[in-house]
Amino acid sequence: QLQLQESGPGLVKPSETLSLTCTVSGGSIRRSNYYWGWIRQPPGKGLEWIGSIYYSGSTYYNPSLKSRVTISVDTSKNQFSLNLSSVTAADAAAYYCARDTSSVVGYAFDVWGQGTTVSVSS
Amino acid sequence: EIVLTQSPATLSLSPGERVTLSCRASQSVSRYLAWYQQKPGQAPRLLIYDASNRATGIPARFSGSGSGTDFTLTISSLEPEDFAIYYCQQRITSPPGYTFGLGTKLEIK
Repeated sequence: QLQLQESGPGLVKPSETLSLTCTVSGGSIRRSNYYWGWIRQPPGKGLEWIGSIYYSGSTYYNPSLKSRVTISVDTSKNQFSLNLSSVTAADAAAYYCARDTSSVVGYAFDVWGQGTTVSVSS
Repeated sequence: EIVLTQSPATLSLSPGERVTLSCRASQSVSRYLAWYQQKPGQAPRLLIYDASNRATGIPARFSGSGSGTDFTLTISSLEPEDFAIYYCQQRITSPPGYTFGLGTKLEIK
């Protein structure tokens, strides 16, 4: 079955760029009609959508983060990635990748990775 | 900006009870409303999409209803594994995107 797995550094210094990758297994990003998204959750708080990408590279981002976010896709590796620049303590969170159903049916995230925790500290 | 308000923030109930959680949008979101369950240390799990459609593998005791600005998630008879935090999520059309409510924590009484 479809599985998503986040990977990347667990600690990022303030003002630097947070970089995470999501590897998709059990299905092909390129042959699906789905978008693929990133969502984060600060400790003890709620969920915040960061952005989503289609296999073609088409993206849409949360306006509040858009100036700092880049999401890219590598279909040859069946991966998509998140870059968040100029991080501060407010960016410390659990980061999840998930399948975005907006181009198929409904507008939701139906398959999630287990999440990876990112701390921001010098 | 459309804001989702979930109520109550916390609910204390016993297994076997029926529960209805509320999610209210500050403007109409049509039927583009989803519900998730999250347990400690786990990723959220999609329960309901498009207000009333159960996601794959979700038990029939979970049901969703509503349209426009008022939505509910009902659990007909609480099982021990249902005690968790529940989030609603809307689709935004302009610019396209998503926002989540702050969640309702369902705890064992």
